[in-house]
Amino acid sequence: GQNIDQPTEMTATEGAIVQINCTYQTSGFNGLFWYQQHAGEAPTFLSYNVLDGLEEKGRFSSFLSRSKGYSYLLLKELQMKDSASYLCAVTDSNYQLIWGAGTKLIIKP
Amino acid sequence: GAVVSQHPSWVICKSGTSVKIECRSLDFQATTMFWYRQFPKQSLMLMATSNEGSKATYEQGVEKDKFLINHASLTLSTLTVTSAHPEDSSFYICSARAGQPRETQYFGPGTRLLVL
Repeated sequence: GQNIDQPTEMTATEGAIVQINCTYQTSGFNGLFWYQQHAGEAPTFLSYNVLDGLEEKGRFSSFLSRSKGYSYLLLKELQMKDSASYLCAVTDSNYQLIWGAGTKLIIKP
Repeated sequence: GAVVSQHPSWVICKSGTSVKIECRSLDFQATTMFWYRQFPKQSLMLMATSNEGSKATYEQGVEKDKFLINHASLTLSTLTVTSAHPEDSSFYICSARAGQPRETQYFGPGTRLLVL
């Protein structure tokens, strides 16, 4: 079956760096997305990786290793507003988007 | 760019009534739109996928006669919850994708439905 694993919850300190991991086993691969979802709101797009390597966008970076079925989202200089759930999603060979359950990130002062 | 709107943002209705939720892509043409449901503290659950001008494809366990989806134009899809019951109370979110399947899905702000 298709599966995406990410930690349920993580805690980090304001100003620090946190890495949220995502591993996947899917039938084929056509890209991996990271979305941010604040409580009570809809997800917002953060990043897309289809080739191996690191994509940097401001304080957020996303890394992909297709051979390992692995990605991470790196958040630097954490701010209180970064407290949210972070969703990893993979597009499989049928271009279906398979969603992880999300990682709830708690930022402490 | 890539703005998706939903209307209404909140709806409270009596059990047995029908509720229509609109999803619009404001600055791009959405060949494919998706409807999700999310219960508190749970993951997004895909309900159905709709392509403009064709019938929606429903996920297993989602009743197509209860959740009517119409994707009549490249910028508008509607979800109608027919004969709503309290267990249908949830957060309904649409997303839209332009062009190629590898394109990003952009989400609407969601609609909170409370059925009394």
